[in-house]
Formats: sequence, structure tokens, C-alpha cells
Amino acid sequence: KNQVEQSPQSLIILEGKNCTLQCNYTVSPFSNLRWYKQDTGRGPVSLTIMTFSENTKSNGRYTATLDADTKQSSLHITASQLSDSASYICVVSGSSNTGKLIFGQGTTLQVKP
Amino acid sequence: DVKVTQSSRYLVKRTGEKVFLECVQDMDHENMFWYRQDPGLGLRLIYFSYDVKMKEKGDIPEGYSVSREKKERFSLILESASTNQTSMYLCASSFVSGRGTYEQYFGPGTRLTVT
Repeated sequence: KNQVEQSPQSLIILEGKNCTLQCNYTVSPFSNLRWYKQDTGRGPVSLTIMTFSENTKSNGRYTATLDADTKQSSLHITASQLSDSASYICVVSGSSNTGKLIFGQGTTLQVKP
Repeated sequence: DVKVTQSSRYLVKRTGEKVFLECVQDMDHENMFWYRQDPGLGLRLIYFSYDVKMKEKGDIPEGYSVSREKKERFSLILESASTNQTSMYLCASSFVSGRGTYEQYFGPGTRLTVT
């Protein structure tokens, strides 16, 4: 069964600290992996997207890694800010021409001052 | 900027009512999707459409139908709303990027409450 699992479920950190969110997937065949940020009451917004051949991708203070052999990804947030408080969703796409995605349940991050 | 808009941010309906959720995208995307998002369950695909008048069931289509009469508009229909359809509904659209990946853009969501 195609699944995407994220950990931890929730996380609280102090402003300025770094954190790492984890994603394990069992989707096969694999096309690409994305990380989305979803603010409360808003739709998800794409942070990074990585294909099979890419093992790291940065977007400002966000750095995603991908190990296609172990089927694991991580999202590292550097020097966290209060605006980083959100849900972070790992999403995997199998090989499909319709763009169908498989979503993780998300990690809720709260950054405290 | 890609824009995906949804007709309502908040909606309250009574059990048994027919409910229409509208989604419009302005980037000429072929693919459009309807999801629902519930705490602890993540986003689940209800229906998707890869062309006008084309539709395919997602993972949880029961109790829902869709309509895509024009490329830019994708409607989700709850024929007879029930309390277990209380949820956040998200619309998305996508195209094929140069790398063969599918950038998917989401609308702001409609929080539907069925009483």
C-alpha cells in the first residue's frame, strides 16, 4: 500500500533554533517528493520538489533532503522564525500522468518567542 | 502568479441540503483536484479531472460528485449533505513542469460545517 508517514506529529521549538522534520514513504513507483507548508486556515503552499535524482534542495531557510534508496526525506528549518509556525506536509507522487499525490498527515510546528 | 480561488471560505449547511463548492483557476491548467482535510487524516483525494468533462474517482468519492464544464472551473457537489462531511475542502490545479513533475497549486480552502 502506498503510504507517506511523517514524524514527529507535532513539535515546539524556540525562535532562532533549528529543527528537522522526517518523512518516510512506501510509494512505488516513485516520481517526486514535495514538501508543503500550510498556515492555519490556508491552503498548502509548495516549498520544495525533488525528483529521484536530486538528494537536496533548498528554499531560503528550508532545506529538504531525499534518500531514494531508503525512501526517506527530511526538511530542515534553520534559524526558525515565528512565521514558520505551520503544518508541514510531505507529499509523494508516483509515476502518473494525472499528477495524483499521496499525502502525509503533516507535522505541526509551533515556534515560540 | 497562479491563482486558485474557491467560492466560499466558510459555509454552514443543514443535513440533507445539496451543497455546491466552486473552484476556479486562472492558469489554463489541465488537471484539477478536490480534497478534504481532516485532523489526523491529512489530505484525501475525493475526485480529480484531467480535462473538461473528464473526471475520475479519488480515494473517497462516496457521497460526492463533480462537474467540469469549463477548463477553469471544477465544482464539487454534495447531493445530500451529512454531518460526516463536515471538513475543510481544498481545491487544487496542476500542470506538467519542464522536469515532468506536477506542480500542484492549492486554493485557500472552504471550511464546511453540516449541522
